[in-house]
Amino acid sequence: TQLLEQSPQFLSIQEGENLTVYCNSSSVFSSLQWYRQEPGEGPVLLVTVVTGGEVKKLKRLTFQFGDARKDSSLHITAAQPGDTGLYLCAGVRDSNYQLIWGAGTKLIIKP
Amino acid sequence: EAQVTQNPRYLITVTGKKLTVTCSQNMNHEYMSWYRQDPGLGLRQIYYSMNVEVTDKGDVPEGYKVSRKEKRNFPLILESPSPNQTSLYFCASSFRLAGWDTGELFFGEGSRLTVL
Repeated sequence: TQLLEQSPQFLSIQEGENLTVYCNSSSVFSSLQWYRQEPGEGPVLLVTVVTGGEVKKLKRLTFQFGDARKDSSLHITAAQPGDTGLYLCAGVRDSNYQLIWGAGTKLIIKP
Repeated sequence: EAQVTQNPRYLITVTGKKLTVTCSQNMNHEYMSWYRQDPGLGLRQIYYSMNVEVTDKGDVPEGYKVSRKEKRNFPLILESPSPNQTSLYFCASSFRLAGWDTGELFFGEGSRLTVL
């Protein structure tokens, strides 16, 4: 059972377009992390959101944590080929502080 | 350079032949973890360790063993590998995982294991 549903699973768009990736759960998380993984490498942390309703920006990437701390979104403005990769969300369980991972969104930005 | 190092990066083996994937971190991190990554399933935690001599099962521990005798090393042992353990394995470490102060996970480059 996937406790953290990530959508879409795959997205291929043209350079310059905007996109949003969603991470949803029925569980409450104490915080949520977003990672990006490139082929042949391990995931690398992009951001951690902690407070319900929190919005964080990282250049063209905007991350939001839902008010109820059950969901999160990643919005990319004017996507670039360098944004290509696998985007993973991970929620921190309140009970034992372990991470629950979404299945990932494979993003391809075509020049 | 701060890093998590896994070996081997690639391995093809046969059913039943014991193998060990080593993991070492040079950041003095307390927390270490092993994951497997399979298409469509994301990262699934196998075992984790909050500190030396403290290990706990993750979500998919069957068929795996770990030990944490030293802070920097966290080897993953497959006593009798089976084809369903064919996967991409990642070791990760963090300063700590504790509630709101969840630390950044640093990952190794991965070990691709094929069991025939």
